Amino acid sequence: KAGVTQTPRYLIKTRGQQVTLSCSPISGHRSVSWYQQTPGQGLQFLFEYFSETQRNKGNFPGRFSGRQFSNSRSEMNVSTLELGDSALYLCASSLWGETNQPQHFGDGTRLSIL
Amino acid sequence: AQSVAQPEDQVNVAEGNPLTVKCTYSVSGNPYLFWYVQYPNRGLQFLLKYITGDNLVKGSYGFEAEFNKSQTSFHLKKPSALVSDSALYFCAVRDPDTGRRALTFGSGTRLQVQP
Repeated sequence: KAGVTQTPRYLIKTRGQQVTLSCSPISGHRSVSWYQQTPGQGLQFLFEYFSETQRNKGNFPGRFSGRQFSNSRSEMNVSTLELGDSALYLCASSLWGETNQPQHFGDGTRLSIL
Repeated sequence: AQSVAQPEDQVNVAEGNPLTVKCTYSVSGNPYLFWYVQYPNRGLQFLLKYITGDNLVKGSYGFEAEFNKSQTSFHLKKPSALVSDSALYFCAVRDPDTGRRALTFGSGTRLQVQP
């Protein structure tokens, strides 16, 4: 079974631009969560989607948004990029309704802001 | 609110020796606890989980973890460390009463296994 796929793996942008990251979950997984990983703040939860609806949201500004499609694939968008947005963005998928199951992570998109 | 603490930024151990990576948690209800490992330029890889039942849980690659409710701890252990175990380890908690699937992670512990 294929794992969680994130594209692109690496991205370089400049301040003020916007970016879209993509995540394809494991087949059959309908819940997708996004996390930001930085050396200073560690792993922080961004948002969680199920059935094309945002179910939970972390403490990030409105510049960070996401969506989920009917095939469970998800995208996250960051607008008006700032230097502090440089991070590894991780997507994780899991079965909805199974809170005792782990989330499975992709290898992430490393975003660098110049 | 739920939280996880990993008190050691780095743990150094010689190959062949036992290793322990510490984790304590705080949740309002009964916790679901997880350990993940991260290798350079990779995502998080699931190692093991505690949901209920036996306090000693076994996972991948010879790792195990001991759940201690009175000390609110969930320490990761391995009887004999390998150089290839060198990586970043994360403890995570989920409070099932919140209905949220997302995990709250500790700050991570870097494990260095010396040959």
